[in-house]
Amino acid sequence: NAGVMQNPRHLVRRRGQEARLRCSPMKGHSHVYWYRQLPEEGLKFMVYLQKENIIDESGMPKERFSAEFPKEGPSILRIQQVVRGDSAAYFCASSPGLVAGGNGEQYFGPGTRLTVT
Amino acid sequence: AQKITQTQPGMFVQEKEAVTLDCTYDTSDQSYGLFWYKQPSSGEMIFLIYQGSYDEQNATEGRYSLNFQKARKSANLVISASQLGDSAMYFCAMRGANTGGFKTIFGAGTRLFVKA
Repeated sequence: NAGVMQNPRHLVRRRGQEARLRCSPMKGHSHVYWYRQLPEEGLKFMVYLQKENIIDESGMPKERFSAEFPKEGPSILRIQQVVRGDSAAYFCASSPGLVAGGNGEQYFGPGTRLTVT
Repeated sequence: AQKITQTQPGMFVQEKEAVTLDCTYDTSDQSYGLFWYKQPSSGEMIFLIYQGSYDEQNATEGRYSLNFQKARKSANLVISASQLGDSAMYFCAMRGANTGGFKTIFGAGTRLFVKA
């Protein structure tokens, strides 16, 4: 059973370009979570999606960032008009259902390292 | 608000010795889970151990054990018999039932260096 897959693993973009990060959850998982890790910091929650629905996006910057999880295909985190401050590692996690109560596991992907030049 | 505090930016340990990485947390939830993750230089997040707030026994997974002191709101990670491959960043994390249940809150991390 393949784990959470993210691609690309490394992405370099010039300021002003768009970055598209993809996440394929584990087989059978319908819940996806995106986290951002700035250099020398812990991960910060960005957004929680189920198929075709954004459940919570309280951690997403108000502008330039969007996320989707279509009925078919991977979840996409899209960053428009990237700036140097967007340089970070972006992690996706998935779970088979809501991991309420603190129980259960969110399975993390290997991350995408975005560098904005 | 939920918060995780890791006060040790860096720790050194001699190979084959035990080391304790500190973690304190703050939450108003009654039901929550505590996690430790390892992040080696390659960057992936590796799940190590989980402790539920209602678990009476401290969690153990191989060489990892979680010293859970609920009244003090601490969840320290103990690594026994350190190995060179244990050199990495270690993150303490938490999820609570009443604050969404899906947002994992991470500490700033502790970088562990294992000396030969």
